[in-house]
Amino acid sequence: KAGVTQTPRYLIKTRGQQVTLSCSPISGHRSVSWYQQTPGQGLQFLFEYFSETQRNKGNFPGRFSGRQFSNSRSEMNVSTLELGDSALYLCASSLTKNSDTGELFFGEGSRLTVL
Amino acid sequence: AQSVAQPEDQVNVAEGNPLTVKCTYSVSGNPYLFWYVQYPNRGLQFLLKYITGDNLVKGSYGFEAEFNKSQTSFHLKKPSALVSDSALYFCAVRPRGSASKIIFGSGTRLSIRP
Repeated sequence: KAGVTQTPRYLIKTRGQQVTLSCSPISGHRSVSWYQQTPGQGLQFLFEYFSETQRNKGNFPGRFSGRQFSNSRSEMNVSTLELGDSALYLCASSLTKNSDTGELFFGEGSRLTVL
Repeated sequence: AQSVAQPEDQVNVAEGNPLTVKCTYSVSGNPYLFWYVQYPNRGLQFLLKYITGDNLVKGSYGFEAEFNKSQTSFHLKKPSALVSDSALYFCAVRPRGSASKIIFGSGTRLSIRP
């Protein structure tokens, strides 16, 4: 069974640009969450989607957005990039929505560098 | 505010010795508790979880965790450390409730010396 797939794995952008990251969850998983990981702030929750609906949102500015498609694949977008957006962006899928006790399955992440 | 604390940024242990990675939380009610591990340039991997029942939970790779309700702690343990256990470990808490989101600790880097 294929794991969570994130693309691209690495990317470099400049300030002011925008970026779109993609996540394909494990087959059958309907919930997708996004996290930002930085050395200084650790793991920060961005948002969670279940059946194309945003279930939860973290404390990030409106420049950060996401969506989920009918096949459960998800994308997140960051507009007007800032240097501080440089981070590892992790996607995680789970079988059901966030009220479940099930564990998260993480992808290997997309490492974004903003110059 | 709800939070998870991992008081040690780094834990150093000799191979073969027991290890403990500490985690305490400040979350109302009876949350679900998790441990995840992250190897270099990889995503997080699930180790174990506590939902209810026995306070000692066994997980992957020989790890176990002890839930202590009075101390609101969920320490990760292993009787005999391996060099391959060297990684970044995250404690996580999910409050019970339909709108809850998982809260991660800041992570503890475990280093096992041969």
